[in-house]
Amino acid sequence: DQQVKQNSPSLSVQEGRISILNCDYTNSMFDYFLWYKKYPAEGPTFLISISSIKDKNEDGRFTVFLNKSAKHLSLHIVPSQPGDSAVYFCAASGSNFGNEKLTFGTGTRLTIIP
Amino acid sequence: GAVVSQHPSWVICKSGTSVKIECRSLDFQATTMFWYRQFPKQSLMLMATSNEGSKATYEQGVEKDKFLINHASLTLSTLTVTSAHPEDSSFYICSARVQLEQYFGPGTRLTVT
Repeated sequence: DQQVKQNSPSLSVQEGRISILNCDYTNSMFDYFLWYKKYPAEGPTFLISISSIKDKNEDGRFTVFLNKSAKHLSLHIVPSQPGDSAVYFCAASGSNFGNEKLTFGTGTRLTIIP
Repeated sequence: GAVVSQHPSWVICKSGTSVKIECRSLDFQATTMFWYRQFPKQSLMLMATSNEGSKATYEQGVEKDKFLINHASLTLSTLTVTSAHPEDSSFYICSARVQLEQYFGPGTRLTVT
């Protein structure tokens, strides 16, 4: 049972344009969401997170949007740069003590075309 | 940001031997660390939650006698793969929790021949 889904396994975007990565979840107990970037043979790097009390969080070129009613979140990267090429994972957890383990999506491979 | 290291970064071992992987939080104390494995082109799968000073909590389907976890200090957790077999070959990654975020180590590539 895949509780966190990233339906696009890959995405190609022109350099300078906006990259939009999508993520859906099914477990209504999730109330904290994170995006990670991962290069091959390396551990994931934390990018940005959002609590369910918000619908938007912005950090530089990265913005995460959360639509609780649709159980959907997205990561916007603008402008996209060649160094952004990597696999992006969304992850979800509960914020209550004892419920903090992360459930990861299957990942989206983003390729930025120069 | 929080830095997590892993050692070794890669290891090759013979079938039937045991391998220990270390995970350290370098600039903070972590009461909770997590161990994941990742197969090629798949997502990260949580294996177990490691709690300092107590027994690890294993996910369903993970053999606790095969994957021994020890979290003896606030900066070190170890994963020992006992009697390794070729199907244990994978990429093992640890993470440490800081508030609600998890920071990951660089991973360990295990190859069992």
